[in-house]
Amino acid sequence: DAKTTQPNSMESNEEEPVHLPCNHSTISGTDYIHWYRQLPSQGPEYVIHGLTSNVNNRMASLAIAEDRKSSTLILHRATLRDAAVYYCILRGVYSNTGNQFYFGTGTSLTVIP
Amino acid sequence: DGGITQSPKYLFRKEGQNVTLSCEQNLNHDAMYWYRQDPGQGLRLIYYSQIVNDFQKGDIAEGYSVSREKKESFPLTVTSAQKNPTAFYLCASSSGDRTSNSPLHFGNGTRLTVT
Repeated sequence: DAKTTQPNSMESNEEEPVHLPCNHSTISGTDYIHWYRQLPSQGPEYVIHGLTSNVNNRMASLAIAEDRKSSTLILHRATLRDAAVYYCILRGVYSNTGNQFYFGTGTSLTVIP
Repeated sequence: DGGITQSPKYLFRKEGQNVTLSCEQNLNHDAMYWYRQDPGQGLRLIYYSQIVNDFQKGDIAEGYSVSREKKESFPLTVTSAQKNPTAFYLCASSSGDRTSNSPLHFGNGTRLTVT
């Protein structure tokens, strides 16, 4: 099972960009990289995902290293509402054992006004 | 709006009692999942179901049971055999298609307290 490594916590000033790193050195060629975030007492919310190329959506950007062993979630202008725990996970191809998502402890992002 | 509904939001039970947590989705998703989250921890997979009438154990299935009689519903029973049942329980679903790019959709969780 491919696993990810993230810093426990990060801080950012409001309205500045935030780069949240994730290492996944055991990623296989067919694993997608997913990012979710969780506010206190709520379920995680999908943010973005990608395979090889960088991805952008209205919430964030995902930069994937050429060797795919690391990725970075980029929040272009942090707001107070972006304060959450961010999870980077890998999703493997559908198999007989099921397409399971494995969550680590994530990065707790604090946004300073 | 489509989504996942978990009920109730808070649940209190006495030790030794079984309790069932509800999870309903109207996203027409094939796959459904139950996760457990403890304070300061990530999510741990309890059970998952890829299709109706089929389910598989996750990493921490002991003391839990599930059923999947309908596509929309995936209830979780926390039995008296679960040694430490107090936790935040999250239900999720995904389209379960045979590509690996469909994201998980989560409910807002049920916080179970057993005393």
